[in-house]
Amino acid sequence: DIQMTQSPSTLSASVGDRVTITCRASESVNTWLAWYQQLPGKAPKLLIYKASALESGVPSRFSGSGSGTEFTLTISSLRPDDVATYYCQHYNSYPWTFGQGTKVEIK
Amino acid sequence: EVQLLESGGGLVQPGGSQRLSCAASGFTFSSSAMIWVRQTPGKGLEWVAGISGSGGVTYYAASVKGRFTISRDNSKNALYLQMNSLRVEETALYYCAKILNLAEVRGSIWGPGTLVTVSS
Repeated sequence: DIQMTQSPSTLSASVGDRVTITCRASESVNTWLAWYQQLPGKAPKLLIYKASALESGVPSRFSGSGSGTEFTLTISSLRPDDVATYYCQHYNSYPWTFGQGTKVEIK
Repeated sequence: EVQLLESGGGLVQPGGSQRLSCAASGFTFSSSAMIWVRQTPGKGLEWVAGISGSGGVTYYAASVKGRFTISRDNSKNALYLQMNSLRVEETALYYCAKILNLAEVRGSIWGPGTLVTVSS
């Protein structure tokens, strides 16, 4: 199985800061990489698919980049309602696997 | 509005069986692939199984293959997960989700989840 590793596990930043989360795959997943946001007590919500494509309705302050084994999710200007856990997930081949999550907090 | 609602969770003994259901509305169910994903505090998010829109293609995680069966009834807009020989470590919140197809998660929408507790 392809292992997905996110860093950092927890991130504390101020409102307005630029925030970057990294996701590394144990082998190439091309650009078959998605990012999800999970608000406290809620189901995950798709933000980014195909590594950099913004899902419909998602604010443009979210962006994704990367290919192969290294990917990033960037929030250009952190807002209080961005407090959540963020997960990457590959869908290059079965079984699909998720990263362990990055918890984003407001400083 | 796309809506998914899981049901069928509850307390089950180790070695027991449980059938989860997912009721879908607000989209053309037969045109969408569907997946089950579970979440535990310890292991995080784990993809469990996926099924094509027609039901003709299915995929399973190695950990559940042979014990779990994913199925769908397109006439009822319903997705199912039959779980047999359940283990304590499979205690989790089980989500159903719609995806574009079995090779693309674009358009993914998840239900709120149903809690399965495996305990004696």
